[in-house]
Amino acid sequence: DTGVSQDPRHKITKRGQNVTFRCDPISEHNRLYWYRQTLGQGPEFLTYFQNEAQLEKSRLLSDRFSAERPKGSFSTLEIQRTEQGDSAMYLCASSRDRCHGTIYFGEGSWLTVV
Amino acid sequence: GEDVEQSLFLSVREGDSSVINCTYTDSSSTYLYWYKQEPGAGLQLLTYIFSNMDMKQDQRLTVLLNKKDKHLSLRIADTQTGDSAIYFCAESETGNQFYFGTGTSLTVIP
Repeated sequence: DTGVSQDPRHKITKRGQNVTFRCDPISEHNRLYWYRQTLGQGPEFLTYFQNEAQLEKSRLLSDRFSAERPKGSFSTLEIQRTEQGDSAMYLCASSRDRCHGTIYFGEGSWLTVV
Repeated sequence: GEDVEQSLFLSVREGDSSVINCTYTDSSSTYLYWYKQEPGAGLQLLTYIFSNMDMKQDQRLTVLLNKKDKHLSLRIADTQTGDSAIYFCAESETGNQFYFGTGTSLTVIP
């Protein structure tokens, strides 16, 4: 049984560059979530997908951020024109429908913008 | 937005019980969770409780919910050094968006 997989685990980029993170959920999980976590804080919700449909987006998800889940399986989160404030860990999670709490997180992708 | 508050640090001796507390403001919370995060890692779901319950026990873990006071606690019995981690309380009304506290860093002293 493979868990939620995220790639890359670490990314250092220069300010202004674009970065893309990939998430592979647990197979047969049709819900997929993106969260952001900064040092000393809990995760903050960014967006979630039900299959390929993006159903909710947080106000934190500025127009520089875009998430896709084209075939309802893996998802990508792209950040354009990165800023230092984007430095954080980006967490992906997945669950079945009506999960009643069983949401499974990946190990996260650390982004450092220099 | 929804506020979930936790104390930042807790230190206990190995073998003692740990109690981590959490308060939340959203009276519509349906699901309440405890997650564990070890350094550099993602979050591991420990346990959850529905808002119509007041207690749930799972091996060494006991969750208590006081819905009137919007207070949730996690008790870890016989705390071990491997329990050292950050513990997050989270709540959700719909099971779609989850709101997390800032986490409690638990240190277990051998």
